[in-house]
Amino acid sequence: KQEVTQIPAALSVPEGENLVLNCSFTDSAIYNLQWFRQDPGKGLTSLLLIQSSQREQTSGRLNASLDKSSGRSTLYIAASQPGDSATYLCAVLFSGGYNKLIFGAGTRLAVHP
Amino acid sequence: ETGVTQSPTHLIKTRGQQVTLRCSSQSGHNTVSWYQQALGQGPQFIFQYYREEENGRGNFPPRFSGLQFPNYSSELNVNALELDDSALYLCASRSWGRSSYEQYFGPGTRLTVT
Repeated sequence: KQEVTQIPAALSVPEGENLVLNCSFTDSAIYNLQWFRQDPGKGLTSLLLIQSSQREQTSGRLNASLDKSSGRSTLYIAASQPGDSATYLCAVLFSGGYNKLIFGAGTRLAVHP
Repeated sequence: ETGVTQSPTHLIKTRGQQVTLRCSSQSGHNTVSWYQQALGQGPQFIFQYYREEENGRGNFPPRFSGLQFPNYSSELNVNALELDDSALYLCASRSWGRSSYEQYFGPGTRLTVT
């Protein structure tokens, strides 16, 4: 069964810390992996998309890595700010899954001043 | 380039009723997917439409149905509403054939069933 797991479920850090969010998936045959941000009660904002042939992607203070062989991805957030507080979701498009993204349950991040 | 839009924003229905949710795809996108997100969980895939045909469905009963129109807008219909149908419903669009397979999500419709 194709599954995506995110650890930790929740994280609370002081402003300025560098932090890592983890995502693991059960099948290495993937097309891509996307990281999303979701504010309470809102839709999903795409942060980074990593194709299966890539090892990492960067956007500003965000860096996402992908290791297909171990079934893992990490989202690194540098110099966290209170505005980064949100839920971060990892989603995998497995090969043969047409357009079906499989999501993890998310990591709820709180950055306090 | 306009983004994905959804209507209505919020909706309250009674158990047993029927509901229709609407989605307008991002300009240039011909594929739309619908997801259900229960509180505290990740979104779950309901189905996908391409060229007005359903071409993929998740583990949802037939009372969840959809339509895609020639302008690529879409509807999600849910009959015989149950309390467990209370969730955030998300629509996502992409352009079929683009190798990136990146999907763009709308703001969602919050459905409450009482």
